[in-house]
Amino acid sequence: RKEVEQDPGPFNVPEGATVAFNCTYSNSASQSFFWYRQDCRKEPKLLMSVYSSGNEDGRFTAQLNRASQYISLLIRDSKLSDSATYLCVVTHPGGQNFVFGPGTRLSVLP
Amino acid sequence: EAGVVQSPRYKIIEKKQPVAFWCNPISGHNTLYWYLQNLGQGPELLIRYENEEAVDDSQLPKDRFSAERLKGVDSTLKIQPAELGDSAVYLCASSPAGAVPAGELFFGEGSRLTVL
Repeated sequence: RKEVEQDPGPFNVPEGATVAFNCTYSNSASQSFFWYRQDCRKEPKLLMSVYSSGNEDGRFTAQLNRASQYISLLIRDSKLSDSATYLCVVTHPGGQNFVFGPGTRLSVLP
Repeated sequence: EAGVVQSPRYKIIEKKQPVAFWCNPISGHNTLYWYLQNLGQGPELLIRYENEEAVDDSQLPKDRFSAERLKGVDSTLKIQPAELGDSAVYLCASSPAGAVPAGELFFGEGSRLTVL
């Protein structure tokens, strides 16, 4: 079993839809949590950090449930430009070892 | 500010040949990572450096892979000999010590290896 698991995808949604991605992690000592975005044949880039209280950045909302070891990402009003793979990332204690999930691919259709 | 630079972008070799990848991190970034990414998978850590010290190389297949980071700046990842299963994208990333916000790994564009 991988340390970080995500919805297998792909998700194909129409423009304007709301889509949610789920992620679970197995190491209860994980320290920090993030969502990265990776466009096709490009490098991963930080989308947003995930805080215990939940946080929002425009159309994107991230939630963390430490007790359930669960992270989510909600995208509202999907745009064509949101099409990408979304990677769930956790760090080990110390904060410098980043463990990536397998990613969930999103295609937003016109 | 220049980003993380990797070379070559693409490399095609025959199995059993050696190959080397080079990475120049963002200036001032003390932490350097090499990740391997297979198609449809997330990046997997091969090795992490703090300055010139390899602090985590537990996932590096040491029978054929080696890495170095001389003077704590540029880094080289070598595979010798390459096997068919090594075909993947090799990503280099860097971050400053005590990065704020934590978690901002800056990746290079990657080196795509095809082993025939």
